[in-house]
Amino acid sequence: GAGVSQSPSNKVTEKGKDVELRCDPISGHTALYWYRQSLGQGLEFLIYFQGNSAPDKSGLPSDRFSAERTGGSVSTLTIQRTQQEDSAVYLCASSRTGTTNEKLFFGSGTQLSVL
Amino acid sequence: QKEVEQNSGPLSVPEGAIASLNCTYSDRGSQSFFWYRQYSGKSPELIMFIYSNGDKEDGRFTAQLNKASQYVSLLIRDSQPSDSATYLCAVNQAGTALIFGKGTTLSVSS
Repeated sequence: GAGVSQSPSNKVTEKGKDVELRCDPISGHTALYWYRQSLGQGLEFLIYFQGNSAPDKSGLPSDRFSAERTGGSVSTLTIQRTQQEDSAVYLCASSRTGTTNEKLFFGSGTQLSVL
Repeated sequence: QKEVEQNSGPLSVPEGAIASLNCTYSDRGSQSFFWYRQYSGKSPELIMFIYSNGDKEDGRFTAQLNKASQYVSLLIRDSQPSDSATYLCAVNQAGTALIFGKGTTLSVSS
Protein backbone atom coordinates (compact mmCIF):
# COMPACT_ATOMS: atom_id res chain seq x y z
CA GLY A 1 0.00 0.00 0.00
CA ALA A 2 0.91 3.63 -0.33
CA GLY A 3 0.96 4.39 3.36
CA VAL A 4 0.86 2.91 6.84
CA SER A 5 -2.42 1.13 7.36
CA GLN A 6 -4.01 0.56 10.76
CA SER A 7 -7.07 -1.40 11.69
CA PRO A 8 -9.58 -1.08 13.09
CA SER A 9 -9.96 2.69 12.91
CA ASN A 10 -12.24 2.60 15.93
CA LYS A 11 -12.61 0.01 18.66
CA VAL A 12 -15.06 0.09 21.54
CA THR A 13 -14.59 -2.57 24.17
CA GLU A 14 -15.67 -3.37 27.68
CA LYS A 15 -13.33 -3.14 30.62
CA GLY A 16 -11.53 -6.42 31.14
CA LYS A 17 -11.66 -7.56 27.53
CA ASP A 18 -8.59 -8.13 25.36
CA VAL A 19 -8.05 -6.14 22.17
CA GLU A 20 -5.73 -6.49 19.18
CA LEU A 21 -4.67 -3.56 17.05
CA ARG A 22 -3.04 -4.10 13.69
CA CYS A 23 -0.45 -2.11 11.77
CA ASP A 24 0.68 -2.72 8.21
CA PRO A 25 3.76 -0.57 7.53
CA ILE A 26 4.92 0.82 4.22
CA SER A 27 6.37 -1.97 2.13
CA GLY A 28 10.12 -2.26 2.61
CA HIS A 29 10.26 -0.23 5.81
CA THR A 30 12.28 -2.09 8.41
CA ALA A 31 11.51 0.10 11.42
CA LEU A 32 8.09 0.14 13.06
CA TYR A 33 6.90 2.13 16.06
CA TRP A 34 3.83 2.15 18.27
CA TYR A 35 2.77 5.30 20.10
CA ARG A 36 -0.23 6.17 22.24
CA GLN A 37 -1.89 9.59 22.34
CA SER A 38 -4.41 10.41 25.01
CA LEU A 39 -6.79 13.32 24.51
CA GLY A 40 -4.86 16.59 24.37
CA GLN A 41 -1.56 14.89 25.10
CA GLY A 42 1.62 14.24 23.14
CA LEU A 43 2.74 10.94 21.73
CA GLU A 44 3.76 8.39 24.32
CA PHE A 45 6.31 5.87 23.02
CA LEU A 46 5.29 2.24 23.49
CA ILE A 47 7.51 -0.10 21.46
CA TYR A 48 9.98 -0.02 18.57
CA PHE A 49 10.93 -2.77 16.13
CA GLN A 50 14.09 -2.42 14.06
CA GLY A 51 14.74 -5.14 11.52
CA ASN A 52 15.68 -8.43 13.17
CA SER A 53 16.89 -6.81 16.40
CA ALA A 54 15.16 -7.39 19.70
CA PRO A 55 12.37 -4.82 20.05
CA ASP A 56 12.72 -1.87 22.41
CA LYS A 57 9.82 -2.47 24.81
CA SER A 58 10.84 0.19 27.31
CA GLY A 59 7.71 2.27 26.74
CA LEU A 60 5.12 -0.40 27.41
CA PRO A 61 3.15 0.85 30.45
CA SER A 62 2.39 -2.55 31.97
CA ASP A 63 2.62 -6.27 31.33
CA ARG A 64 -0.91 -6.13 29.93
CA PHE A 65 0.60 -4.64 26.79
CA SER A 66 2.53 -6.70 24.26
CA ALA A 67 3.37 -6.45 20.59
CA GLU A 68 4.80 -8.63 17.92
CA ARG A 69 5.94 -8.17 14.39
CA THR A 70 5.65 -11.15 12.11
CA GLY A 71 7.91 -11.62 9.11
CA GLY A 72 9.35 -8.16 9.55
CA SER A 73 6.14 -6.58 8.30
CA VAL A 74 2.73 -6.54 9.97
CA SER A 75 2.62 -5.76 13.68
CA THR A 76 -0.06 -6.46 16.27
CA LEU A 77 -0.38 -4.59 19.55
CA THR A 78 -2.31 -6.57 22.15
CA ILE A 79 -3.82 -5.11 25.29
CA GLN A 80 -5.08 -7.66 27.78
CA ARG A 81 -7.71 -6.99 30.42
CA THR A 82 -8.32 -3.48 29.15
CA GLN A 83 -8.82 -0.65 31.61
CA GLN A 84 -10.54 2.71 31.11
CA GLU A 85 -7.18 4.49 31.24
CA ASP A 86 -6.16 2.56 28.13
CA SER A 87 -8.60 4.67 26.12
CA ALA A 88 -6.53 6.64 23.61
CA VAL A 89 -5.52 6.82 19.98
CA TYR A 90 -2.90 4.21 19.17
CA LEU A 91 -0.63 5.34 16.36
CA CYS A 92 1.70 3.18 14.35
CA ALA A 93 4.57 4.59 12.29
CA SER A 94 7.23 3.16 10.06
CA SER A 95 10.49 4.37 8.60
CA ARG A 96 12.75 2.96 5.92
CA THR A 97 15.72 1.87 8.01
CA GLY A 98 15.25 3.42 11.46
CA THR A 99 18.35 5.62 11.26
CA THR A 100 18.33 8.83 13.27
CA ASN A 101 17.49 11.35 10.55
CA GLU A 102 14.62 9.48 9.00
CA LYS A 103 11.08 10.69 8.65
CA LEU A 104 8.40 8.66 10.36
CA PHE A 105 5.28 7.90 8.36
CA PHE A 106 2.23 7.62 10.57
CA GLY A 107 -0.93 5.66 10.09
CA SER A 108 -4.34 7.16 10.81
CA GLY A 109 -4.47 5.49 14.20
CA THR A 110 -6.91 3.32 16.10
CA GLN A 111 -9.23 5.12 18.49
CA LEU A 112 -9.69 2.77 21.44
CA SER A 113 -12.53 3.39 23.85
CA VAL A 114 -12.81 1.22 26.96
CA LEU A 115 -16.19 1.43 28.63
CA GLN B 1 14.23 8.87 31.69
CA LYS B 2 14.53 10.82 28.47
CA GLU B 3 12.33 13.89 28.51
CA VAL B 4 11.27 16.40 25.92
CA GLU B 5 9.58 19.51 27.27
CA GLN B 6 7.36 21.97 25.46
CA ASN B 7 5.08 24.76 26.57
CA SER B 8 1.59 23.45 25.89
CA GLY B 9 0.27 26.86 24.93
CA PRO B 10 -1.92 27.87 23.32
CA LEU B 11 0.37 30.26 21.52
CA SER B 12 -1.71 32.88 19.75
CA VAL B 13 -0.27 35.07 17.00
CA PRO B 14 -1.90 37.32 14.39
CA GLU B 15 -1.69 36.45 10.73
CA GLY B 16 1.62 37.56 9.24
CA ALA B 17 3.52 37.49 12.53
CA ILE B 18 6.39 35.23 13.52
CA ALA B 19 5.51 32.27 15.71
CA SER B 20 8.28 30.95 17.95
CA LEU B 21 8.00 27.44 19.38
CA ASN B 22 10.51 26.12 21.88
CA CYS B 23 11.58 22.72 23.13
CA THR B 24 14.13 21.46 25.64
CA TYR B 25 15.44 17.93 26.03
CA SER B 26 17.14 16.11 28.86
CA ASP B 27 19.40 13.58 27.13
CA ARG B 28 22.72 15.11 26.07
CA GLY B 29 23.29 12.10 23.82
CA SER B 30 20.39 13.09 21.59
CA GLN B 31 21.49 13.35 18.00
CA SER B 32 18.53 14.28 15.81
CA PHE B 33 15.72 16.72 16.40
CA PHE B 34 12.40 16.88 14.63
CA TRP B 35 9.36 19.10 14.39
CA TYR B 36 6.07 17.44 13.50
CA ARG B 37 2.79 19.23 12.88
CA GLN B 38 -0.49 17.65 13.91
CA TYR B 39 -3.84 19.03 12.86
CA SER B 40 -6.77 18.22 15.11
CA GLY B 41 -7.95 14.65 14.55
CA LYS B 42 -5.10 13.89 12.17
CA SER B 43 -1.77 12.08 12.40
CA PRO B 44 1.54 13.92 12.80
CA GLU B 45 3.46 14.94 9.72
CA LEU B 46 7.12 15.94 9.54
CA ILE B 47 7.95 19.60 8.98
CA MET B 48 11.69 19.69 9.56
CA PHE B 49 14.58 17.92 11.18
CA ILE B 50 17.95 19.27 12.30
CA TYR B 51 21.06 17.61 13.71
CA SER B 52 23.75 20.30 13.62
CA ASN B 53 24.02 23.33 15.83
CA GLY B 54 22.71 26.48 14.21
CA ASP B 55 19.82 27.29 11.93
CA LYS B 56 18.16 25.35 9.16
CA GLU B 57 15.68 27.09 6.90
CA ASP B 58 12.96 25.63 4.71
CA GLY B 59 10.56 28.13 3.23
CA ARG B 60 8.74 29.93 6.03
CA PHE B 61 10.13 27.54 8.64
CA THR B 62 13.45 27.82 10.48
CA ALA B 63 14.66 25.24 12.97
CA GLN B 64 17.31 26.29 15.47
CA LEU B 65 19.43 23.93 17.53
CA ASN B 66 21.67 24.67 20.50
CA LYS B 67 23.10 21.42 21.87
CA ALA B 68 25.04 23.12 24.67
CA SER B 69 21.80 24.54 26.06
CA GLN B 70 19.79 21.47 25.03
CA TYR B 71 17.08 23.36 23.24
CA VAL B 72 15.60 23.38 19.80
CA SER B 73 13.15 25.88 18.40
CA LEU B 74 10.94 26.37 15.39
CA LEU B 75 10.21 29.75 13.89
CA ILE B 76 7.31 30.20 11.51
CA ARG B 77 7.50 33.41 9.51
CA ASP B 78 4.45 35.08 7.96
CA SER B 79 2.13 32.85 9.99
CA GLN B 80 -1.07 31.80 8.25
CA PRO B 81 -4.36 30.56 9.72
CA SER B 82 -3.54 27.21 8.06
CA ASP B 83 -0.53 26.95 10.38
CA SER B 84 -2.91 26.57 13.33
CA ALA B 85 -2.10 23.13 14.71
CA THR B 86 -0.19 21.37 17.45
CA TYR B 87 3.55 21.28 16.93
CA LEU B 88 5.41 18.31 18.36
CA CYS B 89 9.12 18.36 19.12
CA ALA B 90 10.87 14.98 18.97
CA VAL B 91 14.41 13.77 19.61
CA ASN B 92 16.32 10.54 19.25
CA GLN B 93 19.68 8.82 19.34
CA ALA B 94 21.01 6.20 17.01
CA GLY B 95 19.11 2.95 17.33
CA THR B 96 16.43 4.29 19.61
CA ALA B 97 12.86 5.33 19.08
CA LEU B 98 11.80 8.91 18.58
CA ILE B 99 10.67 10.54 21.83
CA PHE B 100 8.03 13.24 21.54
CA GLY B 101 7.13 16.21 23.68
CA LYS B 102 3.49 16.92 24.54
CA GLY B 103 3.26 19.57 21.85
CA THR B 104 2.50 23.28 21.64
CA THR B 105 -0.84 24.40 20.24
CA LEU B 106 -0.52 27.32 17.84
CA SER B 107 -3.46 29.50 16.89
CA VAL B 108 -3.06 32.02 14.07
CA SER B 109 -5.85 34.57 13.87
CA SER B 110 -6.83 36.27 10.63
